[in-house]
Amino acid sequence: GAVVSQHPSRVICKSGTSVKIECRSLDFQATTMFWYRQFPKKSLMLMATSNEGSKATYEQGVEKDKFLINHASLTLSTLTVTSAHPEDSSFYICSARTPSGAGANVGTDTQYFGPGTRLTVL
Amino acid sequence: GENVEQHPSTLSVQEGDSAVIKCTYSDSASNYFPWYKQELGKGPQLIIDIRSNVGEKKDQRIAVTLNKTAKHFSLHITETQPEDSAVYFCAARGNQFYFGTGTSLTVIP
Repeated sequence: GAVVSQHPSRVICKSGTSVKIECRSLDFQATTMFWYRQFPKKSLMLMATSNEGSKATYEQGVEKDKFLINHASLTLSTLTVTSAHPEDSSFYICSARTPSGAGANVGTDTQYFGPGTRLTVL
Repeated sequence: GENVEQHPSTLSVQEGDSAVIKCTYSDSASNYFPWYKQELGKGPQLIIDIRSNVGEKKDQRIAVTLNKTAKHFSLHITETQPEDSAVYFCAARGNQFYFGTGTSLTVIP
């Protein structure tokens, strides 16, 4: 399957600082990437949908000024947690949607997830 | 929007037994149904998927069935092994991907 990487895998920061997480699709171009947050033993909570070259679409209740998303290229999306606080500590996971095929392959797009980033804010 | 329900939330089976996880969806336009396995501290990994023009798909010990009329699909794991222990998520895709709430599977040696 396709490969999606995330960096860093773990980050510990002080309260008030900003943290940037990178998500890359390594072997395909992803016009759409997604950012999720996951609490322990909980499901995936979609935070935002990131489309290359346009503004991200945020889910209800997610502060766009707090969680800045940039999708500058077809293989890279970044999530910046600004002025992080302890309540922002969580497991952040990105995913990338493969292109949909054409003709006989229409509708063959799917999502591949990155390995996640564990953020701890002290 | 789509609503994907997943059951059970937790499942324990003896090694060698089978495990079944079920999901239902509401959007009849959904046409693609992937399953993901998430191990502790890692991102979800795609393990099998099925499209709406197929009723069943099998890959070694895992299989997925789809009933479009009833709008439900299931994951079947046979001859379970301890390394199958993980959280499993189903998903349905129409215009967007919608995920189930996950099933924590424990395989007891």
